Amino acid sequence: DTGVSQNPRHKITKRGQNVTFRCDPISEHNRLYWYRQTLGQGPEFLTYFQNEAQLEKSRLLSDRFSAERPKGSFSTLEIQRTEQGDSAMYLCASSSRTGGDYEQYFGPGTRLTVT
Amino acid sequence: AQKVTQAQTEISVVEKEDVTLDCVYETRDTTYYLFWYKQPPSGELVFLIRRNSFDEQNEISGRYSWNFQKSTSSFNFTITASQVVDSAVYFCALNSNTDKLIFGTGTRLQVFP
Repeated sequence: DTGVSQNPRHKITKRGQNVTFRCDPISEHNRLYWYRQTLGQGPEFLTYFQNEAQLEKSRLLSDRFSAERPKGSFSTLEIQRTEQGDSAMYLCASSSRTGGDYEQYFGPGTRLTVT
Repeated sequence: AQKVTQAQTEISVVEKEDVTLDCVYETRDTTYYLFWYKQPPSGELVFLIRRNSFDEQNEISGRYSWNFQKSTSSFNFTITASQVVDSAVYFCALNSNTDKLIFGTGTRLQVFP
């Protein structure tokens, strides 16, 4: 059973550039989540999807951030006009709510460095 | 408000010592779920356990055990006979009437040989 995968694993970009990250969830998991983790902190929720519908967005998700999950499979997270404060680890997780299974399984993350 | 507090920032032990990681949570909901995740140096969060608010039975899995006490809003995690491979950051998390996880700030455990 393949786990959650994320690409790229590392991204270095200059301030003002746009970046896009991809997440492939565990097969048949209908829920997909994005979190952001800064150094020394726990992950913070950004947004989540049930199938292709984006159900909730955190206030942390400014207008420069957009997430999509076309066809309810993989998801992309785009950050426009990156700022140094966007430097963080971006984590993706997936879950299936069938049978009371509420665990979220995380991918390895994409570490973004904005210079 | 929903909140998870892990007051221990860092713990250092010598191999074979027992160690307990504390977690205190806040929520007004009667139905909620508590989790522990391990984040080794590689960075990937590894799921360890989920406990729902109606099940206060303690759980043991090998060298790991969890003590859930609703009266004190705590969900503590004990590693018995710690090993170097247990070195990681451990996060406690709460899922309360939403689908998002609310994480504590984590406890870094260092196990020295």
